[in-house]
Amino acid sequence: DGGITQSPKYLFRKEGQNVTLSCEQNLNHDAMYWYRQDPGQGLRLIYYSQIVNDFQKGDIAEGYSVSREKKESFPLTVTSAQKNPTAFYLCASSPRTGGKYEQYFGPGTRLTVT
Amino acid sequence: GQQLNQSPQSMFIQEGEDVSMNCTSSSIFNTWLWYKQDPGEGPVLLIALYKAGELTSNGRLTAQFGITRKDSFLNISASIPSDVGIYFCAGLPRGTGNNRKLIWGLGTSLAVNP
Repeated sequence: DGGITQSPKYLFRKEGQNVTLSCEQNLNHDAMYWYRQDPGQGLRLIYYSQIVNDFQKGDIAEGYSVSREKKESFPLTVTSAQKNPTAFYLCASSPRTGGKYEQYFGPGTRLTVT
Repeated sequence: GQQLNQSPQSMFIQEGEDVSMNCTSSSIFNTWLWYKQDPGEGPVLLIALYKAGELTSNGRLTAQFGITRKDSFLNISASIPSDVGIYFCAGLPRGTGNNRKLIWGLGTSLAVNP
């Protein structure tokens, strides 16, 4: 069953701690994305990667870091430098070929930092 | 970052009614995508549009790629309670090249009264 998995669904951390969110896909997609969603603000792009070992900053990259060592995996680290980390985080993937630009999303991770 | 103008922001309708929402931009887009998000879940792709004037259906949903390439429309016929959720439009501006960064609307929240 192909798809995108994100774990855990809910994550709680104390302020000042780094936390890593997992994203795995078995769709054989080259491109992967991380979005942050806050109420009333839609989806905002944090980082994206179009190929293994390469990634680019999105619109709100400050306080976040990523790695792309494998095609299937694109973990996101929320660092203590992120001023307001509590949010719903969504991972997506997209094929790079065929002229198609659809992104397919995982179920999301809700991070709460207190 | 750039955003699409999506309207209406919210709708409250009776079961069985038809629904219309739209997305507009000041610039030309090559791709329009429509997603639905249930509470606490990731967005699910409903319809993808790639050609100006294209009209595509998915069950009771119909979406159109505006002829000016600056807008797109989503219609839902004979709404049912499970249509409740937030509907997002997303698009790829002309000249984006290979970075595949979608531009997102802020969503239309739909509530259906049974």
